[in-house]
Amino acid sequence: EPEVTQTPSHQVTQMGQEVILRCVPISNHLYFYWYRQILGQKVEFLVSFYNNEISEKSEIFDDQFSVERPDGSNFTLKIRSTKLEDSAMYFCASSRDGTTNEKLFFGSGTQLSVL
Amino acid sequence: RKEVEQDPGPFNVPEGATVAFNCTYSNSASQSFFWYRQDCRKEPKLLMSVYSSGNEDGRFTAQLNRASQYISLLIRDSKLSDSATYLCVVNIGLTGTASKLTFGTGTRLQVTL
Repeated sequence: EPEVTQTPSHQVTQMGQEVILRCVPISNHLYFYWYRQILGQKVEFLVSFYNNEISEKSEIFDDQFSVERPDGSNFTLKIRSTKLEDSAMYFCASSRDGTTNEKLFFGSGTQLSVL
Repeated sequence: RKEVEQDPGPFNVPEGATVAFNCTYSNSASQSFFWYRQDCRKEPKLLMSVYSSGNEDGRFTAQLNRASQYISLLIRDSKLSDSATYLCVVNIGLTGTASKLTFGTGTRLQVTL
């Protein structure tokens, strides 16, 4: 089965530093997503991206966050100035189209620890 | 009211048992419904979509009641490998737009010998 790949698997950073989380979605997919999961809590939607622009973002996705598809294969999440509460597992996902029952493929996640 | 509400469990059942999980959702405009499985510190993996007519995939049966905004999952003949957290997931994205999945907190299942 095709896979979404994420790097790095673990990222440790100091509060206030910028981090970039990287994802390679499945090659023929058109929709891209970031979700996060704080330890012991539910998976939460951050942002969706289609046709080189944000489709929707949650209230979590404030001005400290940005997404980019810098080339034909990578999809990145940047956190400009990390806070302690940004510590979480960040999952990238992609889907082929916008049909409501379309399966989302999740990557294995990047565990971000902000110290 | 939480957007997607589940009993957190844990459900501890012996191998071979039948176990049922329930879930309620608050957004009546929700478009599609799923059960995902999540192993500890891993990504969510789609178990099955859920349809009003009910659907079955091997030992797993899912049911949706739109009027009651209620979703269920039944696992028959539980196996040790079924031990995981089961996530009730609702898509409130509109058709033709990007998905927006809302996750429940999950129900933990532990199958024992």
